[in-house]
Amino acid sequence: TQLLEQSPQFLSIQEGENLTVYCNSSSVFSSLQWYRQEPGEGPVLLVTVVTGGEVKKLKRLTFQFGDARKDSSLHITAAQPGDTGLYLCAEISGSSNTGKLIFGQGTTLQVKP
Amino acid sequence: EAGVAQSPRYKIIEKRQSVAFWCNPISGHATLYWYQQILGQGPKLLIQFQNNGVVDDSQLPKDRFSAERLKGVDSTLKIQPAKLEDSAVYLCASSSHKGLFFGSGTQLSVL
Repeated sequence: TQLLEQSPQFLSIQEGENLTVYCNSSSVFSSLQWYRQEPGEGPVLLVTVVTGGEVKKLKRLTFQFGDARKDSSLHITAAQPGDTGLYLCAEISGSSNTGKLIFGQGTTLQVKP
Repeated sequence: EAGVAQSPRYKIIEKRQSVAFWCNPISGHATLYWYQQILGQGPKLLIQFQNNGVVDDSQLPKDRFSAERLKGVDSTLKIQPAKLEDSAVYLCASSSHKGLFFGSGTQLSVL
C-alpha cells in the first residue's frame, strides 16, 4: 500500500501571507487529487492532476505535480480566513468513478484575520 | 443536485453498545464508500460497494463492523460492539466519472 506523507502537519498564518503544503509518496502516483475539508463537513475535491510537471490554478490556489509523479504541492497566495481547513492529498487507485482513494494524513491550515 | 445524505450527524454511545449509520448516495452513483476518519488523520477506506456487491472490504474490522447495500442504493454501516477506539467521523461517499462526493459524516463518540 502506497504511503502518502503530507507536510507540514499544521500551519497557522496571518491573512495575506503565502504558503505551500506538500504531498510525497514512496512510489509513483497514477493520479493525485487535492481536497479541502472544513470542520463538520466531508472533503471537497479541489483538483485532479495526472501528468508529471502539470500545473493547475484555481483562483489563488496553484497545484503542481512533480515531474516524476512522486510528489505534489499546493501553494496559496494571499491566504484568507476562508481558506482555513484540512487539506488532504489522495491517490486514486483504479478508475476515476470506481476506484478508491488513499488519503494522506492532511495539513491543518489556520488563517488568522 | 442533492448531495450524499448521512444520518445521524452525531452519536454518543457507551463501549460495548451497538450503533448504525445510514447513507443515501447521489442518485445514479453506482459506487459507494464508507470511510473512517480519526481526529487529526486523513480518511481511511473501510468498504467499497459497486451497486450491491462488495468490491473491497480489506480494511473493515469484520469481527465488529458490518455494512450492507441491499438494493444498490442506500447503505448502512453497523458497529457491534463498539470500542473506545471507534470514536471517529464516519464518512460516506459516492462516485461518478466526475469524482468522489462525500457526505457530511456521522461523528461517533464512544465513552
